[in-house]
Amino acid sequence: SQTIHQWPATLVQPVGSPLSLECTVEGTSNPNLYWYRQAAGRGLQLLFYSVGIGQISSEVPQNLSASRPQDRQFILSSKKLLLSDSGFYLCAWSDTGYGIYEQYFGPGTRLTVT
Amino acid sequence: GIQVEQSPPDLILQEGANSTLRCNFSDSVNNLQWFHQNPWGQLINLFYIPSGTKQNGRLSATTVATERYSLLYISSSQTTDSGVYFCAVPAWRGSARQLTFGSGTQLTVLP
Repeated sequence: SQTIHQWPATLVQPVGSPLSLECTVEGTSNPNLYWYRQAAGRGLQLLFYSVGIGQISSEVPQNLSASRPQDRQFILSSKKLLLSDSGFYLCAWSDTGYGIYEQYFGPGTRLTVT
Repeated sequence: GIQVEQSPPDLILQEGANSTLRCNFSDSVNNLQWFHQNPWGQLINLFYIPSGTKQNGRLSATTVATERYSLLYISSSQTTDSGVYFCAVPAWRGSARQLTFGSGTQLTVLP
């Protein structure tokens, strides 16, 4: 069965420091991968998605970047964190292929920028 | 893009009560997902339901795609049902399908 991992689970970082969040998926090949952010409140905002190694699409302009160095690894980064980057970051995966797009989410990383 | 609205935004129930959560969407879709976000933040897949009705224990969901809504029923609610319930619908963006989420229903089940 497929499993999705995220780490770290929680992170407290000062303003201006770098960031690296990691997401890995097991049990599937060539998944679509997604990064979402959930700020205080409820809405989930799609940040990035990837349909293959090295292929990243950004949904909104921001202080963050994403990379996909391996098929089942997705990394969210920042060179200098802002206070507004605080939030709950969720990674998700789905199968590729037409009509197959049920998404499954990882446990999330709670980031607090101080 | 497609709009997704959920109601009610907040719901408080006594343990054992039943509830219905609603999800309206602004355009035709060929699928819909319901999620439960537990107090630890984990998003749990509940249903993947393009149309018709599905049941899983005390939970069931109905999607009427032609009328652009879906309903989630929770029967005999338990305190562990507390959390936020989201519906989400897909749309193509680039070469991948993306999910557009509603703003959620915060459910609190009191003992």
